[in-house]
Amino acid sequence: NAGVTQTPKFQVLKTGQSMTLQCAQDMNHEYMSWYRQDPGMGLRLIHYSVGAGITDQGEVPNGYNVSRSTTEDFPLRLLSAAPSQTSVYFCASSYSMYGPTALGAFFGQGTRLTVV
Amino acid sequence: AQTVTQSQPEMSVQEAETVTLSCTYDTSESDYYLFWYKQPPSRQMILVIRQEAYKQQNATENRFSVNFQKAAKSFSLKISDSQLGDAAMYFCAYKTSGSRLTFGEGTQLTVNP
Repeated sequence: NAGVTQTPKFQVLKTGQSMTLQCAQDMNHEYMSWYRQDPGMGLRLIHYSVGAGITDQGEVPNGYNVSRSTTEDFPLRLLSAAPSQTSVYFCASSYSMYGPTALGAFFGQGTRLTVV
Repeated sequence: AQTVTQSQPEMSVQEAETVTLSCTYDTSESDYYLFWYKQPPSRQMILVIRQEAYKQQNATENRFSVNFQKAAKSFSLKISDSQLGDAAMYFCAYKTSGSRLTFGEGTQLTVNP
């Protein structure tokens, strides 16, 4: 059972560089999301998707882009990295936004990103 | 907008003792779900326990139990017989059926031997 797989686990970027954080799940979940975790602020939602071809913004979408071409994959793109984007990023998936939400969400192992 | 507040940035407990982590939330919804997640140093987010708001009975999972006070919008986590492996960051989270998870700021739990 792979669950939710995030790559890479660590990344260092220079200011202005772009990169893509990968997220894949093998549970046929409709709902996928990206969070960033910063000290003292919990996890904040960046973008989410309720199914292939459908994405929407969360709390802190600026500087990030997403797409959902398949049910399994939900990559997060940093367009032009800034030091303020230094954070730990989590991808999560769940069965459905409207389904058995009592099951909560399954999380990837996180990506520690440093922008210098 | 829904908010989740954890007023204890850090807590500590002696091994084998009991500790309670606090969480309050603000919502105008009547039907929602509440969760506690554990994040050990490995960074993995692990679901510890969940509570459906329509259920009056407090959820229990082995040594973990909650005190759900719907009127007070309070959802505390009690860890009994604390173990060294319980040391982690704990996040309280809220969700309605039509929305995403909203997290609190987290409480760092230290377990002293």
